[in-house]
Amino acid sequence: GAGVSQSPSNKVTEKGKDVELRCDPISGHTALYWYRQSLGQGLEFLIYFQGNSAPDKSGLPSDRFSAERTGGSVSTLTIQRTQQEDSAVYLCASSPRAGGLLKYNEQFFGPGTRLTVL
Amino acid sequence: AQSVTQLGSHVSVSEGALVLLRCNYSSSVPPYLFWYVQYPNQGLQLLLKYTSAATLVKGINGFEAEFKKSETSFHLTKPSAHMSDAAEYFCAVSAGFGNEKLTFGTGTRLTIIP
Repeated sequence: GAGVSQSPSNKVTEKGKDVELRCDPISGHTALYWYRQSLGQGLEFLIYFQGNSAPDKSGLPSDRFSAERTGGSVSTLTIQRTQQEDSAVYLCASSPRAGGLLKYNEQFFGPGTRLTVL
Repeated sequence: AQSVTQLGSHVSVSEGALVLLRCNYSSSVPPYLFWYVQYPNQGLQLLLKYTSAATLVKGINGFEAEFKKSETSFHLTKPSAHMSDAAEYFCAVSAGFGNEKLTFGTGTRLTIIP
């Protein structure tokens, strides 16, 4: 079946502009994660959605970053007033359910969106 | 809080030789541990995971890892390297229950010498 998809695959923007990155999780997956992969910081957790619960935003690096998940499916990560240090690959992952008592639910990763801020 | 340390950002081995990639973890709760592989221009793929069952975990492509609590280690091994194993490998940890967000190590780039 279809995996996690992300769009665009590449995005080049100018410093100060806003960008939106999209993630389509695997159908039926209730948990969705955003991570960032950059040269300076490696792979970092950004935000996590689980069903209708309040998202865990503890990894967002600043208030310029926000994310939403509509209808428990598609998610959009928005970066306002982009800075050069925001340049990175943004990865999305989904899993069937987080917090299962008897079984860890594997996260399936999308191919990422490469963001370049000039 | 959880963290992982990967020793060696670059490892080179000859084709057919043993592959050993090192990972040490720190966790305030019993950890869940993972190895992911990333091929060039591709997303992350799960190689194997430890979730408190058997301490020796077998994964895809002939890789395995052993959880050693006394050493806080979860090293990845493969008896005989293949050219197709060239990739970047990430060790990761999560707290498991309730929120399975992953904390990654800095990665190890594996090069296979023909």
